Amino acid sequence: GQSLEQPSEVTAVEGAIVQINCTYQTSGFYGLSWYQQHDGGAPTFLSYNALDGLEETGRFSSFLSRSDSYGYLLLQELQMKDSASYFCAVRDGRDDKIIFGKGTRLHILP
Amino acid sequence: ETGVTQTPRHLVMGMTNKKSLKCEQHLGHNAMYWYKQSAKKPLELMFVYNFKEQTENNSVPSRFSPECPNSSHLFLHLHTLQPEDSALYLCASSQDVRGRRSYEQYFGPGTRLTVT
Repeated sequence: GQSLEQPSEVTAVEGAIVQINCTYQTSGFYGLSWYQQHDGGAPTFLSYNALDGLEETGRFSSFLSRSDSYGYLLLQELQMKDSASYFCAVRDGRDDKIIFGKGTRLHILP
Repeated sequence: ETGVTQTPRHLVMGMTNKKSLKCEQHLGHNAMYWYKQSAKKPLELMFVYNFKEQTENNSVPSRFSPECPNSSHLFLHLHTLQPEDSALYLCASSQDVRGRRSYEQYFGPGTRLTVT
């Protein structure tokens, strides 16, 4: 079957670094994307990885290892406004449908 | 502001009512999507339209009926809903339904639907 696993909650301190992991199981693989969603808001696209390695965009970086069916989102210099839910998403190669993880709720402590 | 708007933002309806959700995108995208977001569940893809043609219907009950008159507008018609259909309904768009450009989706603010 197809599945995405990510932790339900992560807590970190303002100014620190946090890593949110995502493991996936799909029939075929095209790429992994990450979205941020604040309470009451819409999901916002953060990044996309199709190839192995690290992609950096400002304070946020996303990593992919296709051989391990694993990726992560790295947030540096955490700010209180980064408190949100973070979703990973993949497109299953068999039925070509996009599936989302359940999301990781990031709590940031001052 | 993502370039995708949805109306209404909140909707309360009885199980016998008929209502419609509207989505409009101002991004020139070719693909549009309806998602359902329930508490503690992953985003569930409901329907996908590419150039106003439906390309996916993820086993959604017939009480949900989508309509896409053009690439910029998407509707979700609701009738005889159940209380378990109460959720946040999100509309999204992307440049294409396949490949790299399908992964970067722009979401509207959603319609919070409550079925009583």
